[in-house]
Amino acid sequence: DTGVSQNPRHKITKRGQNVTFRCDPISEHNRLYWYRQTLGQGPEFLTYFQNEAQLEKSRLLSDRFSAERPKGSFSTLEIQRTEQGDSAMYLCASSSSTSGGVTEAFFGQGTRLTVV
Amino acid sequence: GESVGLHLPTLSVQEGDNSIINCAYSNSASDYFIWYKQESGKGPQFIIDIRSNMDKRQGQRVTVLLNKTVKHLSLQIAATQPGDSAVYFCAEWSYIPTFGRGTSLIVHP
Repeated sequence: DTGVSQNPRHKITKRGQNVTFRCDPISEHNRLYWYRQTLGQGPEFLTYFQNEAQLEKSRLLSDRFSAERPKGSFSTLEIQRTEQGDSAMYLCASSSSTSGGVTEAFFGQGTRLTVV
Repeated sequence: GESVGLHLPTLSVQEGDNSIINCAYSNSASDYFIWYKQESGKGPQFIIDIRSNMDKRQGQRVTVLLNKTVKHLSLQIAATQPGDSAVYFCAEWSYIPTFGRGTSLIVHP
């Protein structure tokens, strides 16, 4: 396992189209996070999963956004009816959570979305 | 609400100098902190972490200092190299990692 993997790396889509991104976390990690990052800003939290349960969603995650992690392994993030304001880097991270606390969160390389 | 912020948006140093990047946090419930390095077009790369029961932790050429009294975190990079040029983020962790804006480190050869 070489780390967190995200696909695709780049996506250009027309406004109004739906897009789906995939994240494969580090295999032994039970937590998975989605973030969005725009130029010059730090990553902004969108949502996170512990195993297959989605435990928290940010106000940034509008109704057009949906995330799933059906078997507690990989996750998908779908954006419906994309808008130009959705253009950003979408980052996925994973970590472990045990009774001893959380471990470091490792990030993937991100998916760069451009809505034209 | 609670937030994480950085004092200096840009830091320029000469190759070989030591660099210090600072970070203020405001959530007193945060018990875990991570420094990340992000190069252009890439995802954040884990550098070093520290838990709230510690005040110092050292890695290879990097040291993180935590002052819980004033809610301040710093990253020290020894003998800074051109390859260290990147944006550095601190993330505080209460139940999820929360990031500030970042500091751009520019290393001049």
